[in-house]
Amino acid sequence: AQSVTQLDSQVPVFEEAPVELRCNYSSSVSVYLFWYVQYPNQGLQLLLKYLSGSTLVKGINGFEAEFNKSQTSFHLRKPSVHISDTAEYFCAVSAAGNQFYFGTGTSLTVIP
Amino acid sequence: EAGVAQSPRYKIIEKRQSVAFWCNPISGHATLYWYQQILGQGPKLLIQFQNNGVVDDSQLPKDRFSAERLKGVDSTLKIQPAKLEDSAVYLCASSPQRYEQYFGPGTRLTVT
Repeated sequence: AQSVTQLDSQVPVFEEAPVELRCNYSSSVSVYLFWYVQYPNQGLQLLLKYLSGSTLVKGINGFEAEFNKSQTSFHLRKPSVHISDTAEYFCAVSAAGNQFYFGTGTSLTVIP
Repeated sequence: EAGVAQSPRYKIIEKRQSVAFWCNPISGHATLYWYQQILGQGPKLLIQFQNNGVVDDSQLPKDRFSAERLKGVDSTLKIQPAKLEDSAVYLCASSPQRYEQYFGPGTRLTVT
């Protein structure tokens, strides 16, 4: 079975500052990793995914994440956040690519 | 390309009443998921369909929840009778292939 831990439930950050949202996973098999964003009253939208290859993955809206197998982590980063990045962010794991297990989410608030 | 459609967007019912949610996936997507997202938590898979067959319903409370996917396209999720703890957002997602999911906007259910 797979599981995901998002260590920070809320992250406030000033506009134009960098941000890192943390995600750790647990699995007995190789996994695929995902980050989703959820804006208020909307469904989830894929930011980026790691399937294989380079451990640094670039996604939409200037986000990137780094897969670290030894630390079982997949932290999400952005060098300079914008007000529009205020949203809920979910890390997810999948072993076979067709069933997904989500973390509890991190609420990112960008302060003007 | 039209996204995943869900209706209604909001529903308020009293406990012990029944309710049904509808999902229309993206055309051609064989896999359909229903998730339950309780406030402050990540989405939890309730049921997964491949075409009109059930792949996984291990987390569906079958004494009160039921779901079907007629002709491998639209799907309905029903709760009968509802309990207070069923208050959540119910998300539908569809997938054309592994590693991809597209989410609808969700149905917010409030049970009073």
